[in-house]
Amino acid sequence: LAKTTQPISMDSYEGQEVNITCSHNNIATNDYITWYQQFPSQGPRFIIQGYKTKVTNEVASLFIPADRKSSTLSLPRVSLSDTAVYYCLVGIISNFGNEKLTFGTGTRLTIIP
Amino acid sequence: EAGVAQSPRYKIIEKRQSVAFWCNPISGHATLYWYQQILGQGPKLLIQFQNNGVVDDSQLPKDRFSAERLKGVDSTLKIQPAKLEDSAVYLCASSLEPGPGPGNTIYFGEGSWLTVV
Repeated sequence: LAKTTQPISMDSYEGQEVNITCSHNNIATNDYITWYQQFPSQGPRFIIQGYKTKVTNEVASLFIPADRKSSTLSLPRVSLSDTAVYYCLVGIISNFGNEKLTFGTGTRLTIIP
Repeated sequence: EAGVAQSPRYKIIEKRQSVAFWCNPISGHATLYWYQQILGQGPKLLIQFQNNGVVDDSQLPKDRFSAERLKGVDSTLKIQPAKLEDSAVYLCASSLEPGPGPGNTIYFGEGSWLTVV
């Protein structure tokens, strides 16, 4: 199954903007891209979802280029409470031609005071 | 709105024993997913139900794992016999329809943590 890749880890200072990218070369044509946040001992928590161009909600923005082979989660003015692992979730066309919902490899974001 | 409920939250068993996890999805959600998350990795889909029918169970180790959703609401995931490598978090998720899509978010429970010793 084609992998959906993310940087393993990122560090940022409080108050900065953080951008996390997910690469998904074999994304299914009609599927949306979703991003989740996960704290230790908890299930993934929905952050934002989009299909193309730019989506913004109260906590984040999501940028998706025209070819949809990647997506970038943008967290404005991060705080210590944003320290977590961030995952993208996309529908991927497997080597057998069927579609599978696949999580990215995850990015561990650490916010430094 | 109540979220996805799972139990038990934590379970420790010896290898070759059996264990069962229960999930109650968000009310009205027809699609239910079971994921396995090994420490340090992203969740991996084990099985997906649409109402009480199986949509995808291609990554479910069927020699030891089974899952059912008899009435199209609650679901149970069973492991018998357990192996050491089954130690993981088992996450249940649900959505209105097979997704994701506009107005169709997949919501996750807090997970059931399994340790096999």
